[in-house]
Amino acid sequence: RKEVEQDPGPFNVPEGATVAFNCTYSNSASQSFFWYRQDCRKEPKLLMSVYSSGNEDGRFTAQLNRASQYISLLIRDSKLSDSATYLCVVSGGTGGFKTIFGAGTRLFVKA
Amino acid sequence: DADVTQTPRNRITKTGKRIMLECSQTKGHDRMYWYRQDPGLGLRLIYYSFDVKDINKGEISDGYSVSRQAQAKFSLSLESAIPNQTALYFCATSDERGSYNEQFFGPGTRLTVL
Repeated sequence: RKEVEQDPGPFNVPEGATVAFNCTYSNSASQSFFWYRQDCRKEPKLLMSVYSSGNEDGRFTAQLNRASQYISLLIRDSKLSDSATYLCVVSGGTGGFKTIFGAGTRLFVKA
Repeated sequence: DADVTQTPRNRITKTGKRIMLECSQTKGHDRMYWYRQDPGLGLRLIYYSFDVKDINKGEISDGYSVSRQAQAKFSLSLESAIPNQTALYFCATSDERGSYNEQFFGPGTRLTVL
């Protein structure tokens, strides 16, 4: 089992739709959680951190469920420019430095 | 100018050749990382360095070596390239505060080993 698992998609949605991605992680000692965005053939960039209480940044909402060991990303009112791959990142825990990137979920937003 | 730069951006080489990928940063960060990205596998950590005198192996260090020449420079070498090292390579940096910090990535180097 991979340490961080994501549905690879692709998710194909029309503009204006709401779309949600989940990411599960196996290390219960993980401490920090993030969503990165990666455009085609570009470098990943931090989209948002994920806090235990949940957090919202404009159209984006991230949530953490420690009991079930998953994090989620909700995108409301999708824009064409949201088309990208979304990477789940889990960090921390025992055994020294450990940051694991998920393989990503591809999103295509269509006009 | 980009804060994290990588050279070359693209490289095609042959099996058995020695290759060096270079990374420079102007962010003043102590921590630097090398990752490779393969389709369906996500980013995997090759080596990381928390300061100039600190080098650590990551998840997939076999077949690679690194050199931290200065705070701002971290190079990755493939001593004898093989085809399964064909991948997209990213350098990243972060500062030293906390157990995890936002990582800033370079634009990537696309390496093809024939």
